[in-house]
Amino acid sequence: DQQVKQNSPSLSVQEGRISILNCDYTNSMFDYFLWYKKYPAEGPTFLISISSIKDKNEDGRFTVFLNKSAKHLSLHIVPSQPGDSAVYFCAAPLQGAQKLVFGQGTRLTINP
Amino acid sequence: GAGVSQSPSNKVTEKGKDVELRCDPISGHTALYWYRQSLGQGLEFLIYFQGNSAPDKSGLPSDRFSAERTGGSVSTLTIQRTQQEDSAVYLCASSWGLATRHFTDTQYFGPGTRLTVL
Repeated sequence: DQQVKQNSPSLSVQEGRISILNCDYTNSMFDYFLWYKKYPAEGPTFLISISSIKDKNEDGRFTVFLNKSAKHLSLHIVPSQPGDSAVYFCAAPLQGAQKLVFGQGTRLTINP
Repeated sequence: GAGVSQSPSNKVTEKGKDVELRCDPISGHTALYWYRQSLGQGLEFLIYFQGNSAPDKSGLPSDRFSAERTGGSVSTLTIQRTQQEDSAVYLCASSWGLATRHFTDTQYFGPGTRLTVL
């Protein structure tokens, strides 16, 4: 049972434009969400998070939006830069915030 | 300061052999996690340690998999009688272990060990 889903395996965006990465979840008990970024041969690094008491969280070029009624969240990157090319995972903690459930990831490619 | 380190970075083994994967967490982090990422899949939780205890082993795929943590620091994931389906990147993460109902402390990941079972 895939509780966190990223239905787009890849996304290609032109440098300077907006990148929008999507994530859907099925477990209505999730109350905290995280985005991780992963470069090849490196571990995932934490990017941004959002609590379910909010519908938006912004950090520089990165903004995460949460739509609880639709069980959907999205990560916006604007403007997109070549260094943003990576695999992005959304995740949610399960059972008291010790275990993270991850989506399958979306490979973002920023084209010059 | 040093981040999470894992060794080896790559491991190629023959089917049926045992392997040990090592994780050195960030100093002072009491919580340690093992995940694995199979080809084309997301990260799959394996086991969680708080100190030397493992309150959640629910993600271990079979009894061929075991893990231990000593001194509240280094952890070893052991896979016995490896199978080809064990091939994956095994990732370790650590955190301060301060998670509460409304706060999730950030998990910091190591670079992973790529295991290939021939």
